[in-house]
Amino acid sequence: ETGVTQSPTHLIKTRGQQVTLRCSSQSGHNTVSWYQQALGQGPQFIFQYYREEENGRGNFPPRFSGLQFPNYSSELNVNALELDDSALYLCASSLGPNQETQYFGPGTRLLVL
Amino acid sequence: AQKVTQAQTEISVVEKEDVTLDCVYETRDTTYYLFWYKQPPSGELVFLIRRNSFDEQNEISGRYSWNFQKSTSSFNFTITASQVVDSAVYFCALSEREYGNKLVFGAGTILRVKS
Repeated sequence: ETGVTQSPTHLIKTRGQQVTLRCSSQSGHNTVSWYQQALGQGPQFIFQYYREEENGRGNFPPRFSGLQFPNYSSELNVNALELDDSALYLCASSLGPNQETQYFGPGTRLLVL
Repeated sequence: AQKVTQAQTEISVVEKEDVTLDCVYETRDTTYYLFWYKQPPSGELVFLIRRNSFDEQNEISGRYSWNFQKSTSSFNFTITASQVVDSAVYFCALSEREYGNKLVFGAGTILRVKS
């Protein structure tokens, strides 16, 4: 086990709703990255947080937003949910923001109906 | 452009067979890292190896070995004497200096090991 935890494990929402996913990083890690993994595909980078600031973003619309707290835990917020947002959301923590090894949590499975 | 290609969508082997998973990458950066992750049915990505672009030495860890060849932009992964517990989806990923921690993943290879 990596020590990275995520909650909740599963979630069902309806289109148009908002959702918040949570991640606790491994002890000693100050950087958190979020990925979206659609069924049958590889994970896609959403964004990264380092020292409470967004530090890199992938090709995701602004309705995907995040936060990092002083204890380095993080939240991913998605507004105005769409059916295509149904996916496994993975959080990863690392020692720093520059090409460090990322250790992943178990993920949150989101289903949008 | 960053790109990782795992051409093998699915591989099936019988226990104790050796199996090689292919990974080809594209990058314009001279400083980059390559990774392999394992994703069992539970969904969590398990880190296997990280290799930087300046280190082309092959690596062996138990039944696992990795062959990195910059000349062909490949970073292949071999499992020797496969076991049923090796059944999972395996992802190759690339991280470039320009993009910090952003990992670009391949589509993954499903490995099925039958007893």
